[in-house]
Amino acid sequence: QVQLQESGPGLVKPSQTLSLTCTVSGGSISSGSYYWSWIRQPAGKGLEWIGRIYTSGSTNYNPSLKSRVTISVDTSKNQFSLKLSSVTAADTAVYYCARDSGAAAGGSFDYWGQGTLVTVSS
Amino acid sequence: EIVLTQSPGTLSLSPGERATLSCRASQSVSSSYLAWYQQKPGQAPRLLIYGASSRATGIPDRFSGSGSGTDFTLTISRLEPEDFAVYYCQQYGSSPSTFGQGTKLEIK
Repeated sequence: QVQLQESGPGLVKPSQTLSLTCTVSGGSISSGSYYWSWIRQPAGKGLEWIGRIYTSGSTNYNPSLKSRVTISVDTSKNQFSLKLSSVTAADTAVYYCARDSGAAAGGSFDYWGQGTLVTVSS
Repeated sequence: EIVLTQSPGTLSLSPGERATLSCRASQSVSSSYLAWYQQKPGQAPRLLIYGASSRATGIPDRFSGSGSGTDFTLTISRLEPEDFAVYYCQQYGSSPSTFGQGTKLEIK
């Protein structure tokens, strides 16, 4: 059974960089034709796809965030990571990592982490 | 990007009743790459349906999905108490992948 777990600071100051890591257990991040995605959800609101990575390092980003997002992968640690720069209060949200089925333009998400709340505040 | 509009915003039904949730896309969804998720308070979303009509692993057969093009439907044939939650549709046929705003299914 694949499990994902987000980790990282719960509080980030405005203009700084948000950094989160997702650790995958129960299977190799490199097995199968899966992408690995980040998704966020502001309190009481809907879901927004941030971006995804394949284990080759190939990435796709949401154009609305592309200028500020970097997603990377470390297959030796079975982890992938998110960096979001120049954060503002609008970036306050629960951040989820998820396994992406890897369809051409995007995938459905069959395994999710529990989510981690990141608050942007001074 | 493709905008997904879900209706109704809130649906009030009783256990045992049938629920019909709608998801309409602003343009055709390629290859019926449409998924449905259930989310309960404080939990991550759970994949119910992918490819518009395929049930995900472990999902009861009272959940079914249908539709193509721009109009999609999630049907719950007979509501169980644990089905009351928020439901989201997602399209992944066109980048960026996008979600609907959600339908809250509440107990009447």
